[in-house]
Amino acid sequence: ETAVFQTPNYHVTQVGNEVSFNCKQTLGHDTMYWYKQDSKKLLKIMFSYNNKQLIVNETVPRRFSPQSSDKAHLNLRIKSVEPEDSAVYLCASSRDRASAETLYFGSGTRLTVL
Amino acid sequence: GDSVTQTEGLVTLTEGLPVMLNCTYQSTYSPFLFWYVQHLNEAPKLLLKSFTDNKRPEHQGFHATLHKSSSSFHLQKSSAQLSDSALYYCALSRANTGKLTFGHGTILRVHP
Repeated sequence: ETAVFQTPNYHVTQVGNEVSFNCKQTLGHDTMYWYKQDSKKLLKIMFSYNNKQLIVNETVPRRFSPQSSDKAHLNLRIKSVEPEDSAVYLCASSRDRASAETLYFGSGTRLTVL
Repeated sequence: GDSVTQTEGLVTLTEGLPVMLNCTYQSTYSPFLFWYVQHLNEAPKLLLKSFTDNKRPEHQGFHATLHKSSSSFHLQKSSAQLSDSALYYCALSRANTGKLTFGHGTILRVHP
């Protein structure tokens, strides 16, 4: 049963354009994440928010900016996309940021940059 | 820093044979270890996670034992099913951030 919702499912765009992805979770969780899954299926964290506050910001190009209006929503904006940004972007949530908490993933947004 | 190593990129098995997917890790903390499974065109979801009291977690016939001496958390199942075909990630959780560090993933293909 889906509880982490991502839109859009797919997005095709050209180099230099701006894109935005949305994520909403209905689990009442405090912590949300953006992960990038590349073409080789490598899954790497980009950002983590706990109660609207940024707590993890990995080495990510500055053109990526997360936005959180409340703890149920976490969006991702890419200002000027590059070909290497083509990937699946997975949103996830967990009850809190404790070590043993399970991540619940959305189905992902597949970005293709032409 | 933390790292997780999954040595096999692809494991191909005949239905009914035992499954073992390798996972070793490096961490400066006492980490929690997880296995996530991603079926084709689906979201990754939790399969197993390690316990603090050395119990062996089990789910859907899969089990894994955390061996701190060898820094391993291998995934095992006694008899593979066709529906087990998927991408399996081993992951490690860093204390107090909830940040998961994933291995590169192992594709398991089970054929009749």
